Amino acid sequence: QKEVEQNSGPLSVPEGAIASLNCTYSDRGSQSFFWYRQYSGKSPELIMFIYSNGDKEDGRFTAQLNKASQYVSLLIRDSQPSDSATYLCAVSNTGGFKTIFGAGTRLFVKA
Amino acid sequence: EAGVTQSPTHLIKTRGQQATLRCSPISGHTSVYWYQQALGLGLQFLLWYDEGEERNRGNFPPRFSGRQFPNYSSELNVNALELEDSALYLCASSLGRVQPQHFGDGTRLSIL
Repeated sequence: QKEVEQNSGPLSVPEGAIASLNCTYSDRGSQSFFWYRQYSGKSPELIMFIYSNGDKEDGRFTAQLNKASQYVSLLIRDSQPSDSATYLCAVSNTGGFKTIFGAGTRLFVKA
Repeated sequence: EAGVTQSPTHLIKTRGQQATLRCSPISGHTSVYWYQQALGLGLQFLLWYDEGEERNRGNFPPRFSGRQFPNYSSELNVNALELEDSALYLCASSLGRVQPQHFGDGTRLSIL
């Protein structure tokens, strides 16, 4: 089992729809959870971080965390073609001594 | 506020040579992380420095090493370069070990 797993996609959604990106992790003691967006050939850009169970909203983005199920998700409302990128889930392990990145989910938003 | 800066942008070396990559963190950040991202692949954790000390390293051979300076900038050294070392090397900084990491634009290392 990989430490952080994401569906590689590609996930294709029409413009204006909600894109739902999912991530599971294996370390039950994980404390911090991050979502990054990476455009092709560019470096990852932090979108959201969440530490507690529940939802956290920032503009069109909502991060959802369920520690009991070891599951974190990112919802993108009103998806735009400019949202087309690879989305990386990252999890800090117990003690925070390492942040493990998932392989990423490619999202395509069709105009 | 200046972000994480990395230099050089591109670096071309031949097999067996040594490469040095540099990173300046965001002002106030004491933790610096190095990652390798081979073409089409995910980020692989290399090294984490905090307060001048190496705190953790990933599953890479000892020829990958680095250090952090008193001003919290860092350098990554790769000795005895191999073809498979060709990748984008990303540096990130954070305020602490469970805090969000912010990435630089990376150094693209090509081994001929």
